[in-house]
Amino acid sequence: GAVVSQHPSWVICKSGTSVKIECRSLDFQATTMFWYRQFPKQSLMLMATSNEGSKATYEQGVEKDKFLINHASLTLSTLTVTSAHPEDSSFYICSARGGTGPTEAFFGQGTRLTVV
Amino acid sequence: GQNIDQPTEMTATEGAIVQINCTYQTSGFNGLFWYQQHAGEAPTFLSYNVLDGLEEKGRFSSFLSRSKGYSYLLLKELQMKDSASYLCAVWDSNYQLIWGAGTKLIIKP
Repeated sequence: GAVVSQHPSWVICKSGTSVKIECRSLDFQATTMFWYRQFPKQSLMLMATSNEGSKATYEQGVEKDKFLINHASLTLSTLTVTSAHPEDSSFYICSARGGTGPTEAFFGQGTRLTVV
Repeated sequence: GQNIDQPTEMTATEGAIVQINCTYQTSGFNGLFWYQQHAGEAPTFLSYNVLDGLEEKGRFSSFLSRSKGYSYLLLKELQMKDSASYLCAVWDSNYQLIWGAGTKLIIKP
């Protein structure tokens, strides 16, 4: 299957700092990228959906000024957690889909964020 | 509202067969996915069903009944490495993935 590379795999940062997570589709053009957050023992929760070249659509309850999403090209999307706090500690996963038809979505490896 | 139900936890024995059920109520339907997720890792794709019937892929099979809003994942010849969470997800009419909470499968020797 297609490959989605997410970086970094884990990161520890101080409270109040910002963290950037990258998601790259390596062998296909990702017209749509999804960003999810998963707290321990819970399901994946969609944070936002982004289409290349346009602003991301955020789910209800997700602060767009805190979680900045950029999808500047068909192979790269970034999620920046600004002014991180301990409650932002979570597992963040990106998913990429090419085309608009019913194709499977491919997941990155995930990023474990710990804010201390 | 949109809802996907699957059992929270199941236990099975190594070498046996286990069926994980998933029922869904969504605004539209464009397919149902099953993912496997080991602790601390991202989900990995197992199957995709959009038409009724059974899709077989090695030890794993997935079944879909759109009229009943029902799917199951069947795992045969269970191995210890199959211990993981299994997530059911549905693409709604807008191709948004709606996720179930996952079923934690525990395999015992």
